[in-house]
Amino acid sequence: EVQLVQSGAEVKKPGESLKISCKGSGYSFSTYWIGWVRQMPGKGLEWMGIIYPGDSDTRYSPSFQGQVTISADKSNSTAYLQWSSLKASDTAMYYCVRRKQGGAFDIWGQGTMVTVSS
Amino acid sequence: DIQMTQSPSTLSASVGDRVTVTCRASQSISSWLAWYQQKPGKAPKLLIYKASSLESGVPSRFSGSGSGTEFTLTISSLQPDDFATYYCQQYNSYSGTFGQGTKVEIK
Repeated sequence: EVQLVQSGAEVKKPGESLKISCKGSGYSFSTYWIGWVRQMPGKGLEWMGIIYPGDSDTRYSPSFQGQVTISADKSNSTAYLQWSSLKASDTAMYYCVRRKQGGAFDIWGQGTMVTVSS
Repeated sequence: DIQMTQSPSTLSASVGDRVTVTCRASQSISSWLAWYQQKPGKAPKLLIYKASSLESGVPSRFSGSGSGTEFTLTISSLQPDDFATYYCQQYNSYSGTFGQGTKVEIK
């Protein structure tokens, strides 16, 4: 079964760092782009960026450039999303997604809830 | 950045109704458009890609049309399982902007 399994929920304080993960299985991880999507509480979906695990080519939405870092370890079939200094406004559900050939997001992880509160 | 505008934001309908959701792109995206369904507390699910191609396993009552800047998602006969929020997404080049969503509610 093709799936993306994300790391568990996180509760952090403002200013702390965080790295969440997304592990792919059931397909050739290196040959599909993996993206990240943010959903703030009660709000819509926002595309954050995308990475090609085969060569780590990464593209960011202008809204998220410089705010987060996307990376991948193809040997471990895992993609990552990290923050160096969290803000309360980073509180959201984060989904990793697989970009199918052609571009739509066909496989979604279960989501990782990140709560940032003092 | 390409902006996506969906209408309406909320739609009230009854089981058996034909429902249409519209999505407009701020510039031409050819047919690089997808539609997703999201239910509360769940990850979104891909319904339609390349504007009109039905994703495997998705019921045939869902259909998509359009190209360039104007797109529609149609549910031919609304079923109880279809009450959810629907998002369009453009995926021109490597970006992936979403519309703001359309919530389909029970009338």
